[in-house]
Amino acid sequence: QSALTQPPSASGSPGQSVTISCTGTSSDVGGYNLVSWYQQYPGKAPKFIIYEVTKRPSGVPDRFSGSKSGNTASLTVSGLQADDEADYYCSSYAASDKWVFGGGTKLTVL
Amino acid sequence: QVQLVESGGGVVQPGGSLRLSCAASGFRISGSGFHWVRQAPGKGLEWVAFISHDERRQFYGDSVKGRFSISRDISENMANLQMNSLRIEDTALYFCARDWGWGFDPWGQGTLVTVSS
Repeated sequence: QSALTQPPSASGSPGQSVTISCTGTSSDVGGYNLVSWYQQYPGKAPKFIIYEVTKRPSGVPDRFSGSKSGNTASLTVSGLQADDEADYYCSSYAASDKWVFGGGTKLTVL
Repeated sequence: QVQLVESGGGVVQPGGSLRLSCAASGFRISGSGFHWVRQAPGKGLEWVAFISHDERRQFYGDSVKGRFSISRDISENMANLQMNSLRIEDTALYFCARDWGWGFDPWGQGTLVTVSS
C-alpha cells in the first residue's frame, strides 16, 4: 500500500499556528472519515492526538485540531509551544482492510 | 492505567522466525482489536497487522502477508505476532497498539527486531 504524502518539515514561532497536510486518495483519506494523527518525540512511542478526522482524545489540548477536504487531511497546531517540536504522522483506514501512514513531518519551533 | 508492553525482539538471521508478545494491563483485551506497527531505524511508521476484537478478522500489510500471523491470548491478556521467513528489510522497532476509533491508542514502548547474517 502507498504511504500518504506529508511535507517532510514544517516550522513556526512560539504562539503562531502551523498546519501540516496529509494527502491520500479516494481509497483512503478521501473515502473514509477515519484519519488519525500522532505526535512522536525522538526515541519515544507515538502519541494519539486526533482520531476520526476531528476528534481529540481525552487530555489532548484543544490547540491541536484536525480537518479534511477531499483527499487531503490537515493537522493544525495553534499557539505553538516549544514542546510541540516533534515528528507528526497521519494515518488512514484504507480500502481492502488496511491502514496506511504518512511519511511524517518534523515540526520545528523556531 | 492502560498500558502495553512488548517483548520478544532480538537478533535473527534471514529466513528465521521470531514471536513478539504484547502484554496489556489496566484493561481486558477481550473487547479490543489490536495492531502491530513498525518503524525501521530513522524511518517512518508502517502498519503491519490487525486483529479484530472478536478475532474473526486479521489483516496484514502487503510486505508481510503470508509471512506474519497476528493472534491474541485472552487468558494471558496478550496479543502476539508470529514472524516467519524474516528478511533484512523487516529490521525495525515493532510497536503494538490497541485499536481505538480506527486509530492506535495506546502504544507500547516497542521491541527491536534485527534481521542480520
